[in-house]
Amino acid sequence: KAGVTQTPRYLIKTRGQQVTLSCSPISGHRSVSWYQQTPGQGLQFLFEYFSETQRNKGNFPGRFSGRQFSNSRSEMNVSTLELGDSALYLCASSLRLSGQETQYFGPGTRLLVL
Amino acid sequence: DQQVKQNSPSLSVQEGRISILNCDYTNSMFDYFLWYKKYPAEGPTFLISISSIKDKNEDGRFTVFLNKSAKHLSLHIVPSQPGDSAVYFCAASGSRGGKGNMLTFGGGTRLMVKP
Repeated sequence: KAGVTQTPRYLIKTRGQQVTLSCSPISGHRSVSWYQQTPGQGLQFLFEYFSETQRNKGNFPGRFSGRQFSNSRSEMNVSTLELGDSALYLCASSLRLSGQETQYFGPGTRLLVL
Repeated sequence: DQQVKQNSPSLSVQEGRISILNCDYTNSMFDYFLWYKKYPAEGPTFLISISSIKDKNEDGRFTVFLNKSAKHLSLHIVPSQPGDSAVYFCAASGSRGGKGNMLTFGGGTRLMVKP
């Protein structure tokens, strides 16, 4: 089975712009979660989608949003980019929404905001 | 507050010896624990997990131990190999509390295995 894929892998944007990142989960997986990794804050949960509905949200401002499509693919959007949004953005997928599921991660999208 | 903590930022062991990575948690709602291995600029790779109904789970060279009363888990790697050198993250989730599959991560431990 193919793993989780994320596009693009690298992105450079300037402050004030917006960005959309894409994630394709493992085939058959219906839950998709997004995480942000920065040197200062570590790995932090952004949000989780299941059956096209946001089920959980982390402590991030409303500039961070996402959606899930009927084929379970997901996108996340960050509007009005700030320098502090520079990070590795990771997508993970799992089969169900049970709280005892193994999440498998994609390679990440490295975002640099100048 | 940090609900999952890895108190050792780094660990150095000799090839062939045992590596023991530790993790502590504070939230009693956590009932599923995972270990991931990560290289820079890549996504975490799943290693092994354990449910709170167990106290030990083995997979090849990797064993995870869970001590619920102490809210402590550890990952043992035996024997350690140079290819095991990476950052290891402990993560936790809970089936209760309506948090879905949300993972809370520790800060990571950098393991260096010397040949």
